[in-house]
Amino acid sequence: GEDVEQSLFLSVREGDSSVINCTYTDSSSTYLYWYKQEPGAGLQLLTYIFSNMDMKQDQRLTVLLNKKDKHLSLRIADTQTGDSAIYFCAETGGSYIPTFGRGTSLIVHP
Amino acid sequence: GAGVSQSPSNKVTEKGKDVELRCDPISGHTALYWYRQSLGQGLEFLIYFQGNSAPDKSGLPSDRFSAERTGGSVSTLTIQRTQQEDSAVYLCASSSWGETTYNSPLHFGNGTRLTVT
Repeated sequence: GEDVEQSLFLSVREGDSSVINCTYTDSSSTYLYWYKQEPGAGLQLLTYIFSNMDMKQDQRLTVLLNKKDKHLSLRIADTQTGDSAIYFCAETGGSYIPTFGRGTSLIVHP
Repeated sequence: GAGVSQSPSNKVTEKGKDVELRCDPISGHTALYWYRQSLGQGLEFLIYFQGNSAPDKSGLPSDRFSAERTGGSVSTLTIQRTQQEDSAVYLCASSSWGETTYNSPLHFGNGTRLTVT
């Protein structure tokens, strides 16, 4: 089946930029998503990008897509302690059922 | 408006007992999903409902798991004869995803944490 891979942990200092990376295998992916999960809560959509785009910026968030390499990244500028959470990459291809990565735990140190 | 509501938020049960988990999706959302989140395992797809179509049950791990969706709204996930490996957080999500809204994201509930002792 299709697969989405992410590193499990990222630790940054408050004020620095965070970059969370994701790779996927489905060449027919149409939409790619980033979700955020805070402790004890469900996943919340952060942003998404359509496969014909290379970049999308939304305030402190920048999403980069390299479709050739099937690589997606999420950059968070000026990372704050409130950004500490688990970040999930997800993709949809020919199915209505998104495939999620295992999530990257972002830890922000003061 | 109200988001996706799941109940109970926590459930502790003894091995071998049956459990029912409930999901109340966002009103008007035709698509409903169940996922399971185990520690360090990410999100595992279980089942997908879309309108009146037959559900996609391809993710159910065994015949002990079943789900139904009544009246195109509320859904119940049932686990029979629970085992310790069933312990996880069960997440429900809904979406207006469909033939013409294929970019609609999923809206998740806060999940039910199931512990099988």
